[in-house]
Amino acid sequence: DAGITQSPRHKVTETGTPVTLRCHQTENHRYMYWYRQDPGHGLRLIHYSYGVKDTDKGEVSDGYSVSRSKTEDFLLTLESATSSQTSVYFCAISESLRGNNYGYTFGSGTRLTVV
Amino acid sequence: AQSVTQLGSHVSVSEGALVLLRCNYSSSVPPYLFWYVQYPNQGLQLLLKYTSAATLVKGINGFEAEFKKSETSFHLTKPSAHMSDAAEYFCAVTTKGGSEKLVFGKGMKLTVNP
Repeated sequence: DAGITQSPRHKVTETGTPVTLRCHQTENHRYMYWYRQDPGHGLRLIHYSYGVKDTDKGEVSDGYSVSRSKTEDFLLTLESATSSQTSVYFCAISESLRGNNYGYTFGSGTRLTVV
Repeated sequence: AQSVTQLGSHVSVSEGALVLLRCNYSSSVPPYLFWYVQYPNQGLQLLLKYTSAATLVKGINGFEAEFKKSETSFHLTKPSAHMSDAAEYFCAVTTKGGSEKLVFGKGMKLTVNP
């Protein structure tokens, strides 16, 4: 989506290896989020950030860490990838936590396969 | 905590038929409600949102939704389905004073038959 890019778009990795996914925005939005999407579960929040160096856990944060050293970048790290982390990962941004002005804007996703 | 329920995971309609996708919310305080659409291999796109103004909300691509507090519902409708409407649709809720972040339903895949 315009203003938000995720990299890589696809990745295959082996169990036990570390993996970092990147989200980059050009909108200067304060809030950034990482979601995972799995069939039958919809989107579930992993971590979110409300400013540089300010992050908090979502509902499925175990096995994941995040960092935000700049307004525009939000990194998601799987310290030691497991097969249960095979999923599609979406980054989102918003001006407000509630998204009441423009909702959340989503990136195109990263499809991660852990073998 | 707030939540939304989308009963079922798949709905199929004929081209030109009414589209009705149901969403019921649970919240102890007034909610903000959203519908998103996801086309294959893409991210989510905002269709429409309810933020306590008009209860009938019009969105993009001819979709609309009505907030009904008495029924705790926010169903998505479109009078006449088009083949291009085939996608997955997600309802989401957020509230003030709670966790405030968007909480999504499990999604509903819409198939449009010719």
